[in-house]
Amino acid sequence: KAGVTQTPRYLIKTRGQQVTLSCSPISGHRSVSWYQQTPGQGLQFLFEYFSETQRNKGNFPGRFSGRQFSNSRSEMNVSTLELGDSALYLCASRADSAQETQYFGPGTRLLVL
Amino acid sequence: AQSVAQPEDQVNVAEGNPLTVKCTYSVSGNPYLFWYVQYPNRGLQFLLKYITGDNLVKGSYGFEAEFNKSQTSFHLKKPSALVSDSALYFCAVRDTGATNKLIFGTGTLLAVQP
Repeated sequence: KAGVTQTPRYLIKTRGQQVTLSCSPISGHRSVSWYQQTPGQGLQFLFEYFSETQRNKGNFPGRFSGRQFSNSRSEMNVSTLELGDSALYLCASRADSAQETQYFGPGTRLLVL
Repeated sequence: AQSVAQPEDQVNVAEGNPLTVKCTYSVSGNPYLFWYVQYPNRGLQFLLKYITGDNLVKGSYGFEAEFNKSQTSFHLKKPSALVSDSALYFCAVRDTGATNKLIFGTGTLLAVQP
């Protein structure tokens, strides 16, 4: 099976712009979670989607949002970008509620100038 | 609140020697524990997990981890290190309650010298 894919892999934006990142989970997986990785804060949970519904949300401002489509693909959007949003954004997929292991994609590296 | 601690920022080991990367946890209830590895400019790769059962868990690439409830530890081990094992290692615990959020440690950089 193909792994989790994320597009784009690299992105450069300027402050104030918005960005949309995409994640395609492993085929058959219904849960997608997003994490932000920065040198200062480490790995932090953003949100989880399961069957198109947001199940959990981390402690991030409302500028960070996401959605999941009927084919389980997910997007996350960050509006009004700030310099501090520069990070590696990781997507992870999980088969279903009984499956504990999350499998991660390669990430999208976002640089905000 | 659930938490994970990785007390060592970096571990240095010579190729062929055994390696240990330490992790301690604090959770209410039974812990679901994971180890992931991250190579430069890559995502996280799953190594192994402990949910229940045997305290010694075997995973990918010859890695294993020992769950110790009394010491609240879940150390990652390998009998013989390879240079290619050099990477950033993360311990994680699944948050409790109605969430599958993973709470990660700060990571340990493993450097294996030839």
